[in-house]
Amino acid sequence: SQTIHQWPATLVQPVGSPLSLECTVEGTSNPNLYWYRQAAGRGLQLLFYSVGIGQISSEVPQNLSASRPQDRQFILSSKKLLLSDSGFYLCAWSTGIGKHEQYFGPGTRLTVT
Amino acid sequence: KQEVTQIPAALSVPEGENLVLNCSFTDSAIYNLQWFRQDPGKGLTSLLLIQSSQREQTSGRLNASLDKSSGRSTLYIAASQPGDSATYLCAVDSGNTGKLIFGQGTTLQVKP
Repeated sequence: SQTIHQWPATLVQPVGSPLSLECTVEGTSNPNLYWYRQAAGRGLQLLFYSVGIGQISSEVPQNLSASRPQDRQFILSSKKLLLSDSGFYLCAWSTGIGKHEQYFGPGTRLTVT
Repeated sequence: KQEVTQIPAALSVPEGENLVLNCSFTDSAIYNLQWFRQDPGKGLTSLLLIQSSQREQTSGRLNASLDKSSGRSTLYIAASQPGDSATYLCAVDSGNTGKLIFGQGTTLQVKP
C-alpha cells in the first residue's frame, strides 16, 4: 500500500530564516505531487504541483520554491521566511492517470515568529 | 476561474440525525469531485470521489451526489455519530494535472 510522509511535523522559525520541508511517497511510481497551504481562515491553496522529476509548476507567486530531486520526493523551500508564510503545509499525491484521487500527508505546522 | 463554495460553514446536530452538506462550483467542466474529512491539526482523509460521468458514490453511512449541470454536490451522512465531528471539505478537479480547488469547508459537530 501507499504511504506519504512529511517532516518535520511542527516548525517554529524566525522571520528571514530559510525553510526546507520534505515530503516522500512510498509504494507507487511516478506520482503527481502537490504542495498546499492552509492558512487560518483562508482555506486550502495549491502552491506547487509536479508531474515528474524536475517538472514543477507554481500556482501562486511568492517567496517559496519547490523541487523534486527524486521520483517520490518533493521539497518546499524558502530562502527568507515572511510572517505571512505561517500556516499548515500539506503534501499530496495522485497517480496522475485514471481518477486522479488525491491522498494527503499528515502536514507540517509552520509558525514564523 | 473555478470557485467552490460550501454551505453551511458550521453545523451542530444531535447524535443520530441524518444530515446534508452542500458544495457548489461555478464551472461545470470538471474531471471529478472529491470529498475529504479533516480532524483538527491533521491532514485530509479522502472520503469519496465522484467522476464527472457518475451521479453518486456511497461508502458506509456516506453518500455523495453530483449534478454537474447545476454545479452542485451533496454529502449525505446517515445516522450521525459524535465521531463524525470534523471539518468536511469538497474539492473540484478541473483538468488533466489533478489540481484541486477547495471549498472553505463545513465544520460539523455531532453532540452525544
